[in-house]
Parts: sequence; structure tokens; C-alpha cells
Amino acid sequence: DGGITQSPKYLFRKEGQNVTLSCEQNLNHDAMYWYRQDPGQGLRLIYYSQIVNDFQKGDIAEGYSVSREKKESFPLTVTSAQKNPTAFYLCASSMGGRGGTKNIQYFGAGTRLSVL
Amino acid sequence: AQSVTQLGSHVSVSEGALVLLRCNYSSSVPPYLFWYVQYPNQGLQLLLKYTTGATLVKGINGFEAEFKKSETSFHLTKPSAHMSDAAEYFCAVSAAPFGANSKLTFGKGITLSVRP
Repeated sequence: DGGITQSPKYLFRKEGQNVTLSCEQNLNHDAMYWYRQDPGQGLRLIYYSQIVNDFQKGDIAEGYSVSREKKESFPLTVTSAQKNPTAFYLCASSMGGRGGTKNIQYFGAGTRLSVL
Repeated sequence: AQSVTQLGSHVSVSEGALVLLRCNYSSSVPPYLFWYVQYPNQGLQLLLKYTTGATLVKGINGFEAEFKKSETSFHLTKPSAHMSDAAEYFCAVSAAPFGANSKLTFGKGITLSVRP
């Protein structure tokens, strides 16, 4: 089945530690996105990538880093510089390109990150 | 720049009653508009979308929404609520051209409760 796989489902971070969240898609989509979700704040864009080896900062990129070495993978690292990392993290992908259906974003099941 | 306003954070209806979830948007270019649903601890699932053409769009699970340009609105409705509709609903806007403007901007979400 085609889809987006996020792992792990739950993750715990110790103070001063970097942690990496995995996002893999087999939809052959060009564009991938990372969002952070906090209660009552909706989804906020962290980083996005429209093509392999290229990515752009979103609205809240500070304290996060990404890479896009393969089309199907877009891992997110939460660094020790992110002082309030506890949140639900969602990865999404879309076909990219012009046209309404190409703008549709498909989401993974999320990773819940907590600080120990 | 784009923005989405979802007034109120919580709506409660009785089973069988009309569901109305409001969404107003701001966009400097013709928008693409989306409604997503999120069940607890899961990712987002697309309910319906408006890109071009017919302003009344039908989605999954009996939901529909009408794009009203003059009111900059895209309200979500369902004639008869079901217990399984209890979830969080997000409205989102995207500018039509692909590129930096293909990002989605989400509202803060509305939690729908359905009373027996």
C-alpha cells in the first residue's frame, strides 16, 4: 500500500540531546513537509522540500534541521537548541507542480515527542 | 500572504443535527481551499478540496463545503451528524501557483463533539 510512514510513534528526548524523526513515502511525491502541532495552535510548518537535495525553512525552523538526500525520505532532527520540543510532529507529501490535485498533501500518522 | 480563521475552538451538536464549521480565509491570489479531519493521535485525512470550477464541493463521509469568494468563506457542512464525526477539523488555504506559495496555511482547528 502506498503511503507515508513516520517512526517512531513515540519518542523521548533527554535535555541536551538531538533526536531524529523518520519520514518515508512510497507515493513517488516530489514535495515533502514537516509540521509541528500543539494544542489549540493548528499546524505550523517547520521545513519543506520541493525536490531532492533542496529544502526551505518554514515558519518555525529554529532548533530543527532536515535533509533530503533521497526522494522518498525527509528526516527531521530536533536539536538541543529547540528548548520546547514537546509536540506532535506530522510529515506530509504532495505531488508538487501546477494543478489542484498536485497541491493535495497526504499525511503520516505522526510522532509524539516528549522531554524527559 | 495567506491566512485562515476558524472561529471558536469547539462545536457540540446532537446526533442527527446539522453540522456547520466555519472557515474564512485571506489570500492575495485565487486560493485552493481544503478541509482535513484528524482523529485522536492520528494524521490528517483530506475531507474535500476546492481548486477551480463548481463552488459547492462534496467530500467523504457526507460532508460538503461551499466556496464564497465575496465572503472569503469556505464553511463545512453535514446535514446529519453521526457519532463517528467527532474529531478535529482543519481548514487550509494554498495559493494556486506551484512554488513557495504551494505551502498550506492551516487554521487552528475546531473540535467537533457529537452528543447521543
